Amino acid sequence: AQSVAQPEDQVNVAEGNPLTVKCTYSVSGNPYLFWYVQYPNRGLQFLLKYITGDNLVKGSYGFEAEFNKSQTSFHLKKPSALVSDSALYFCAVRDRPRGSASKIIFGSGTRLSIRP
Amino acid sequence: DGGITQSPKYLFRKEGQNVTLSCEQNLNHDAMYWYRQDPGQGLRLIYYSQIVNDFQKGDIAEGYSVSREKKESFPLTVTSAQKNPTAFYLCASSLGTSELNEQFFGPGTRLTVL
Repeated sequence: AQSVAQPEDQVNVAEGNPLTVKCTYSVSGNPYLFWYVQYPNRGLQFLLKYITGDNLVKGSYGFEAEFNKSQTSFHLKKPSALVSDSALYFCAVRDRPRGSASKIIFGSGTRLSIRP
Repeated sequence: DGGITQSPKYLFRKEGQNVTLSCEQNLNHDAMYWYRQDPGQGLRLIYYSQIVNDFQKGDIAEGYSVSREKKESFPLTVTSAQKNPTAFYLCASSLGTSELNEQFFGPGTRLTVL
């Protein structure tokens, strides 16, 4: 089965500094990877996805993610963090179990805290 | 505005009662999903549906039931058989179940069992 791992429960960054939220994946076949963000007491919002093509994917709110096949990673990045980026971030991968429709498998989430 | 709505935002239930959470979308999406989110944990899939009148169990379907009588609606019933129902419930939809389609989420319903 497909899976993603987010090794950090919490990431703390000073405003204006670059940020990275880590994600590694384990898939058989082609990986279809996603990043979502969740603000307190809200649903998830889609940030970006990797299907194929360029390894650097650009998404919403200035975020980007780098797909690295050799390291099986899909880290989320932003060159300059804002306090408003503070939220819970989820990495996800598409899974298609044999005989079933495809579905998304979410990581455990990383809480990003940006200090002024 | 197009989107997904969930109601109510907060729901309180006594032990032993069934309760139904509403999820409606006007995005003309074929696929709909229900997730449960517990503190410090990621999302866990309860049920999903690809088309009307069809649905499949997710990873934690026990104690839950769903129906998909209309394309726009995918209500979730939390039954008394669910041993620990207090959680944040999220509904989502996608254009289809193709690997290429991202999911769009509703604002969630927080269920508390008293």
